[in-house]
Amino acid sequence: DQQVKQNSPSLSVQEGRISILNCDYTNSMFDYFLWYKKYPAEGPTFLISISSIKDKNEDGRFTVFLNKSAKHLSLHIVPSQPGDSAVYFCAASRNAGGTSYGKLTFGQGTILTVHP
Amino acid sequence: GAGVSQSPRYKVAKRGQDVALRCDPISGHVSLFWYQQALGQGPEFLTYFQNEAQLDKSGLPSDRFFAERPEGSVSTLKIQRTQQEDSAVYLCASSPLSIGGNSPLHFGNGTRLTVT
Repeated sequence: DQQVKQNSPSLSVQEGRISILNCDYTNSMFDYFLWYKKYPAEGPTFLISISSIKDKNEDGRFTVFLNKSAKHLSLHIVPSQPGDSAVYFCAASRNAGGTSYGKLTFGQGTILTVHP
Repeated sequence: GAGVSQSPRYKVAKRGQDVALRCDPISGHVSLFWYQQALGQGPEFLTYFQNEAQLDKSGLPSDRFFAERPEGSVSTLKIQRTQQEDSAVYLCASSPLSIGGNSPLHFGNGTRLTVT
C-alpha cells in the first residue's frame, strides 16, 4: 500500500510561471512532511519541510501548503526557472511517541520540466 | 569531502554473488539510514543506525540483506546471493540528530546495483 502518493508522474511549465506539485497521504499519523529534489545521478537534496501544526511554510521561491483534513500537500515554485527541472519527491514521517528519527516514506516522484 | 560519500557508484553482479556497498556519512552525524530506490519509484527505507546501534531494520527485504556500522561512522550494506530483484539504487543518508529530532536527511549519490 502506497502511503504517500504523487499522482502526476510529470509536469511541464514555462519559465517564469508557477509550478504546483501535489502529494496525497493516507496515514493520519504522519506529522512531518518534506520535499526533496533530485537531479539525475545524484542523491535527493532537501528543499523544504512543514510540521503538521502549520498549514504553510515559505522559503524564497518555494512554498509548501498542508491541508490535514484532505491529507494533501503541495509545493509551489514561483517563478519557475529552467534550473528547477528535476524529479521532486514528497516524503512524510511520524513522531511515534517522541521517538521519531527521520524515517521517511516517499512518494513516487514527479518529473518537473521548466521550459525557457 | 563535506557530503555523504558512497562507493562504488556502480556495481554489476552476477546472480548469486555477494556484494558490499560502502557509505561514509558526514563527519559527526549520529544517524545513518539506508534506502533502496527501484527504477521509477521513490526511495524505500531499509535500516537505521544511531551511532553503532542498528535500531530499526524493519525495511530489509530478506535475510540476505545485512548492514553494519561497527564504529559509529562508516557503514556497509551487504547483500548475499544477489537476485535480479535486488537491482536498484542504494542510497545512504545521514543526519546530525538522534531520536526525538526532525532534521533533513543528507543523501549520498547512491550506488547503482545491477544484477545480471
